[in-house]
Amino acid sequence: SQKIEQNSEALNIQEGKTATLTCNYTNYSPAYLQWYRQDPGRGPVFLLLIRENEKEKRKERLKVTFDTTLKQSLFHITASQPADSATYLCALPYSGGYQKVTFGIGTKLQVIP
Amino acid sequence: DVKVTQSSRYLVKRTGEKVFLECVQDMDHENMFWYRQDPGLGLRLIYFSYDVKMKEKGDIPEGYSVSREKKERFSLILESASTNQTSMYLCASSSLSGGYGYTFGSGTRLTVV
Repeated sequence: SQKIEQNSEALNIQEGKTATLTCNYTNYSPAYLQWYRQDPGRGPVFLLLIRENEKEKRKERLKVTFDTTLKQSLFHITASQPADSATYLCALPYSGGYQKVTFGIGTKLQVIP
Repeated sequence: DVKVTQSSRYLVKRTGEKVFLECVQDMDHENMFWYRQDPGLGLRLIYFSYDVKMKEKGDIPEGYSVSREKKERFSLILESASTNQTSMYLCASSSLSGGYGYTFGSGTRLTVV
């Protein structure tokens, strides 16, 4: 079965810098990959989806890349703000199951003022 | 504003009780999901429904059942609650294509004593 790896260590960065989070996966070639934000005690909130034929996608200060050769997605937040502090999850569809996704464990981002 | 509503934010139940967790969505989504989230384990899929009365087991269905009698409502049932089912339960929905992200509810924190 597919395996998703996110850096479970917290990432601390200074306000104004670019935060880069990594999502690696194995045993699989997903049709798409999703990124979510989760605040403590709340449900995840969908941010971006990138398809296998897209190299990069942007939304405001967010940028996602998808390298199907490296089996890796990078999630960037530019000009980071303390309000960006949260846990960020990547998600991939199950092998053979386009409509349901499995989630990585998430990376906790702390933006320091 | 589109919504997934979970009936309870916090719930405390006794071992052996039958527990019902309710989820309602107002987006006319075909797909609905139940996940549980535990520290260090991330989100794990319990059950998935792609249509009324249709269901599919996820990764950890043991001890759970589901019901989907109406398109907008998806119920998770703990047949006989046990302490290892203490967790955060998250309901989500998505459109049929599945490629546009999930909308999650706020979660139900269930404690079984």
